Amino acid sequence: GEDVEQSLFLSVREGDSSVINCTYTDSSSTYLYWYKQEPGAGLQLLTYIFSNMDMKQDQRLTVLLNKKDKHLSLRIADTQTGDSAIYFCADFHTGRRALTFGSGTRLQVQP
Amino acid sequence: DADVTQTPRNRITKTGKRIMLECSQTKGHDRMYWYRQDPGLGLRLIYYSFDVKDINKGEISDGYSVSRQAQAKFSLSLESAIPNQTALYFCATSDPRSRETQYFGPGTRLLVL
Repeated sequence: GEDVEQSLFLSVREGDSSVINCTYTDSSSTYLYWYKQEPGAGLQLLTYIFSNMDMKQDQRLTVLLNKKDKHLSLRIADTQTGDSAIYFCADFHTGRRALTFGSGTRLQVQP
Repeated sequence: DADVTQTPRNRITKTGKRIMLECSQTKGHDRMYWYRQDPGLGLRLIYYSFDVKDINKGEISDGYSVSRQAQAKFSLSLESAIPNQTALYFCATSDPRSRETQYFGPGTRLLVL
């Protein structure tokens, strides 16, 4: 079945770049998303990429998509302490009519 | 005001009790979802509804039921709660015209003793 995988934890220093990786198995995915979850809160959409794109940039965020390897990454430039959160990747396939989420990557930013 | 609200925000109950978690939205979306979140497992889909008459099971529907009372309301029930249903529960809505982006409520933390 469909699967989305992420590493569980990433620690970086403030000001460095963070790269969070995700792999997925469904080659028919239409959209791929990155969501952010801060402590005690629900998930908030950070950015998305359409499956026919290979890169999207939005201020400090860069999303790279390698469809051949089914690999998605989120790069956060100049990481700040406020970026500390859990980051989820997810994909959408019209046949399933719902998102499939990865297990989430906890980003810890050290001052 | 929040677009997607959930009540209660926290709940402690005992094994065997029936409980209901409620979700309301003001976004005008037809599609609504219930997920549970467990540490290290991400979000898993329990049920989803594409309109009032269209309700579908997700990957972990056993032990749960839902009711879509109106476009804006989607309730999740645990008929007889058990300890392994202790989790964080999220409601979400989406609009297919908006790249299937899902909008989440703040979550309900449920503890079953």
